Amino acid sequence: DQQVKQNSPSLSVQEGRISILNCDYTNSMFDYFLWYKKYPAEGPTFLISISSIKDKNEDGRFTVFLNKSAKHLSLHIVPSQPGDSAVYFCAASERNFNKFYFGSGTKLNVKP
Amino acid sequence: ETGVTQSPTHLIKTRGQQVTLRCSSQSGHNTVSWYQQALGQGPQFIFQYYREEENGRGNFPPRFSGLQFPNYSSELNVNALELDDSALYLCASSFRPGGSYEQYFGPGTRLTVT
Repeated sequence: DQQVKQNSPSLSVQEGRISILNCDYTNSMFDYFLWYKKYPAEGPTFLISISSIKDKNEDGRFTVFLNKSAKHLSLHIVPSQPGDSAVYFCAASERNFNKFYFGSGTKLNVKP
Repeated sequence: ETGVTQSPTHLIKTRGQQVTLRCSSQSGHNTVSWYQQALGQGPQFIFQYYREEENGRGNFPPRFSGLQFPNYSSELNVNALELDDSALYLCASSFRPGGSYEQYFGPGTRLTVT
């Protein structure tokens, strides 16, 4: 039973435009959400996180939005750059932080 | 500051054998988590160790076991290997208690079971 879902396996965006990656979850006990970026032959790299007490967190070109009622979060990248091309994973944890659940990933391709 | 390292990079084993994978945490980190990532899927949580004690476990059978050492390095042991155990195994370290709990991943060990 997958508690974190990324329903779009891939996304293609033109350089300079906005990339929106989506993630849904089923467990209402999740308290903390993270986005990771993964390049081939490397481990995932932490990108940005958000606590359930917030609905938005921004870090430079990256913004994460959390809609708790819909159990949905999204990652916005503005403007998108070719170097952003990677697989993006969302992850979630309950308050105890001793178990993390990952989605299946979305492969982002930013075209020059 | 040294990042998370894993060894070996690649490994080929036969069904029924046992395997040990190793992970060195990032300097100053006291928590390590292990994940299994099958092809085309996201990382699946195996277990987490905090100060040498298992602190959380995912839906993996007991033949998956681990250790964390006083220097916070870690091992993942898998007994009685099955073909479905073929995957990329990732370890991730973090510091608890902390403000954000993000984890820092190693590059992974690619295990092939034949």
